Amino acid sequence: DIQLTQSPSALSASVGDRVTITCQASQDITNSLNWYQQKLGEAPKVLIYGSSNLETGVPSRFSGRGSGTDFTLTISSLQPEDFATYYCQQYGSLPLTFGGGTKVEMK
Amino acid sequence: EVQLLESGGAFVQPGGSLRLSCAASGFTFSKFVMSWVRQAPGKGLEWVSAVSGSGDKSYYTDSLKGRFIISRDNSKNMVYLQMNSLRAGDTALYYCAKDSVVQGVMNHWGHGTLVTVSS
Repeated sequence: DIQLTQSPSALSASVGDRVTITCQASQDITNSLNWYQQKLGEAPKVLIYGSSNLETGVPSRFSGRGSGTDFTLTISSLQPEDFATYYCQQYGSLPLTFGGGTKVEMK
Repeated sequence: EVQLLESGGAFVQPGGSLRLSCAASGFTFSKFVMSWVRQAPGKGLEWVSAVSGSGDKSYYTDSLKGRFIISRDNSKNMVYLQMNSLRAGDTALYYCAKDSVVQGVMNHWGHGTLVTVSS
C-alpha cells in the first residue's frame, strides 16, 4: 500500500497568513493526489484533484502542486473559514489511502 | 443537486453484523464509482471499499477483505456495505462518497452513519 506522510500534523496561523502543507508518498504516484478539507462535524470536501486542479467553487487562494512523491497544498491568505483539518489522498493505486491530516488552528 | 444519505448505523456487539445503506440522488447513478470511507472518533480518514458503476467490480482496503462486502442496486440508486465479524476497531462514522468523472476523486459525500461496536 502507498503511505502518505503529511506535515505538519498541526499548525497555528493567523488570518492573512500564507500556509503550506506537505504530503509525501512512499512511492511514485505521478500526479494522482487530492486534497480535502474537513471542518468539525462535517464531511470532507475536495479542494484540489490531480495535484493541481482546483475543484469547481473552491476559492483561488487554494493551490496545489507536485508530482511523483512530493506534494504541497498552499493557502495564499488564510481566511476565518479555512480553519479546519486538511487531508491528502492518493489514487495512483489501490487501495486508496489518506494522509494523517493537518489541523490548521487559529494562533 | 447531488445527495447521498447513509443509514443503518447502530450499536452492535463484537462479532455481529450490520448492513449500511446509501441512497443517492441528483446524478446518473450507474455512471459513477461509489465508495465507503470511515473515520474513527477523533481520527483520520480511511478508505474502506469501492464499487464500479455497473457493480461488477469491487475493491477493498486489505485489512477488511473477507469481512466487508460492497454492493449496489442501480435500479434503486442504492449502495450497500455488508459488515460481518465486527470488531471494536470498526467503530467509526461511515461515509458514502461518489467519485467524480476522475476515478479516485471523491467529490460528493454524505453526512455519515455511526457504527459503534462494543460489548
